[in-house]
Amino acid sequence: NAGVTQTPKFRVLKTGQSMTLLCAQDMNHEYMYWYRQDPGMGLRLIHYSVGEGTTAKGEVPDGYNVSRLKKQNFLLGLESAAPSQTSVYFCASSPDKPTNSYEQYFGPGTRLTVT
Amino acid sequence: SQQGEEDPQALSIQEGENATMNCSYKTSINNLQWYRQNSGRGLVHLILIRSNEREKHSGRLRVTLDTSKKSSSLLITASRAADTASYFCAASQGGKLIFGQGTELSVKP
Repeated sequence: NAGVTQTPKFRVLKTGQSMTLLCAQDMNHEYMYWYRQDPGMGLRLIHYSVGEGTTAKGEVPDGYNVSRLKKQNFLLGLESAAPSQTSVYFCASSPDKPTNSYEQYFGPGTRLTVT
Repeated sequence: SQQGEEDPQALSIQEGENATMNCSYKTSINNLQWYRQNSGRGLVHLILIRSNEREKHSGRLRVTLDTSKKSSSLLITASRAADTASYFCAASQGGKLIFGQGTELSVKP
């Protein structure tokens, strides 16, 4: 099993450009998450999904959109990139919700720079 | 911010010493989880403690939870250079985890 994979690993964008980050998991997990990590800020939840076809906003959703058309994939889109979106983005998946005592499995991250 | 607080932000110790990291959170929880992150890598789950548990052990890890104080601590005993990493607590809240800001641990050989 590959676990959770993220594409691409690195990307540099100019302000105003758009891009899509792909997260894929092969563990048949229901829940998937997108986080951003900035120095000294820990991880902040952008959007998450509790199953195929569903999405929900997290703590910092502005400027991002997501889609979960297939159970194994969770896409994060930036329609018009801004320098404030320079960050490391992590995807995670989980069999069920954390309150049911399930851990999250993380991908290796995507380092995005917006100039 | 929904995030919890972790203390200390950075910790430097010698190999063989114990390392203690503290976490405080803001809301009622079902469980609290600890994760480790090596530099440039994704997070890896270490241990989970439920709200009705006070202490849990896993190898060299010991976690305590005090729900009345909304706090948890992670103790790593007999630390090794390979334990050098950032450690994050995460409080469960519905379908989400709320992560603390992390403690950066450096273990010197």
